[in-house]
Amino acid sequence: GAGVSQSPSNKVTEKGKDVELRCDPISGHTALYWYRQRLGQGLEFLIYFQGNSAPDKSGLPSDRFSAERTGESVSTLTIQRTQQEDSAVYLCASSLAGMNTGELFFGEGSRLTVL
Amino acid sequence: AQRVTQPEKLLSVFKGAPVELKCNYSYSGSPELFWYVQYSRQRLQLLLRHISRESIKGFTADLNKGETSFHLKKPFAQEEDSAMYYCALVGSGTYKYIFGTGTRLKVLA
Repeated sequence: GAGVSQSPSNKVTEKGKDVELRCDPISGHTALYWYRQRLGQGLEFLIYFQGNSAPDKSGLPSDRFSAERTGESVSTLTIQRTQQEDSAVYLCASSLAGMNTGELFFGEGSRLTVL
Repeated sequence: AQRVTQPEKLLSVFKGAPVELKCNYSYSGSPELFWYVQYSRQRLQLLLRHISRESIKGFTADLNKGETSFHLKKPFAQEEDSAMYYCALVGSGTYKYIFGTGTRLKVLA
């Protein structure tokens, strides 16, 4: 596709359930990011992938959060045993590798609501 | 600590008035600075970056290393400028982009 694609766009789940959020980056973009945006707050860095490796997982809030990337393409963010404080918009972005002055291309986000 | 601060949550100006969105940063080293914008019902997108020294849609931003600021300015605001604006930085040699909390700009007719 032409841009970063995220699914689902909206997810409502019950506390304690697991959820998976998917990101399809722009073809050829080897760098991939996940951010979390809680209501009224800024973007909170979660994890960065370079290719299929995640050199920086420093932003993952707890061991309930995990992410993987395969084929230098699709990435999945998994949240286990969801809590109400996990409710947020989860944004994925991709960029060309080796360009830390480069542009991040964002998806439209996955809005997660934990009841 | 690495931080980007946008002190204003909401800024309202009248059409044709000058606008300045403030951004201050804290970073040990030489970061690159950016402004991202999110229009209603659109995805977050790059507006401009310091390294390009560019003016986009009439907006400019000057990096002041002494004051560690990167304020976004436009001499005459337009209604279509109404959006959410985020200041961001990335450290030289790193890939971790740090974003501010954003400022909502409302341009009134």
